[in-house]
Amino acid sequence: AQTVTQSQPEMSVQEAETVTLSCTYDTSESDYYLFWYKQPPSRQMILVIRQEAYKQQNATENRFSVNFQKAAKSFSLKISDSQLGDAAMYFCALHNDYKLSFGAGTTVTVRA
Amino acid sequence: EPEVTQTPSHQVTQMGQEVILRCVPISNHLYFYWYRQILGQKVEFLVSFYNNEISEKSEIFDDQFSVERPDGSNFTLKIRSTKLEDSAMYFCASREGQNSYEQYFGPGTRLTVT
Repeated sequence: AQTVTQSQPEMSVQEAETVTLSCTYDTSESDYYLFWYKQPPSRQMILVIRQEAYKQQNATENRFSVNFQKAAKSFSLKISDSQLGDAAMYFCALHNDYKLSFGAGTTVTVRA
Repeated sequence: EPEVTQTPSHQVTQMGQEVILRCVPISNHLYFYWYRQILGQKVEFLVSFYNNEISEKSEIFDDQFSVERPDGSNFTLKIRSTKLEDSAMYFCASREGQNSYEQYFGPGTRLTVT
């Protein structure tokens, strides 16, 4: 069984500051993919960033970067220079075989 | 940029009625999925579909649910006899192929069962 755990229900960040969202997962597979999705109030699921488990280098996508620690099964998301438009629910997801397994999500609020 | 579309955006139905939720995946994608999200809860996998058949389904996807790809573009989810607990946001997603693991989601259909 695969599980994804996001232990922070809510995070708040000042505009232009940095926030880090944590995610841990459990899988028995050695080959898998990890993702962060953003869900704004519209409830659309938007892919933010991906990480292949076989790659040691952490993925970066503009202001978004991850810290992938395979041995610890940890996959945190860092949002730098936070903007008001970053306010959303963020879901960590593990892809293995045929499906995505999601964490419970972290709500990010950005203070102006 | 190609995107997954879903219709309707909001569906209200009475308990016991049948509903069909429609999705148009990205045109060159080969894998299709349905997920649901009950309000305030995590996104849950329902079913995956490849090569005109179900690849995998979760325990949620019981006999009341079915999926179909009736033509080359649409991908539908049918709920035969809706229950109150089927009220949720239903997301369709598609994935390009075997070597590509990103799933791209549609905007969702909000299903309300009264």
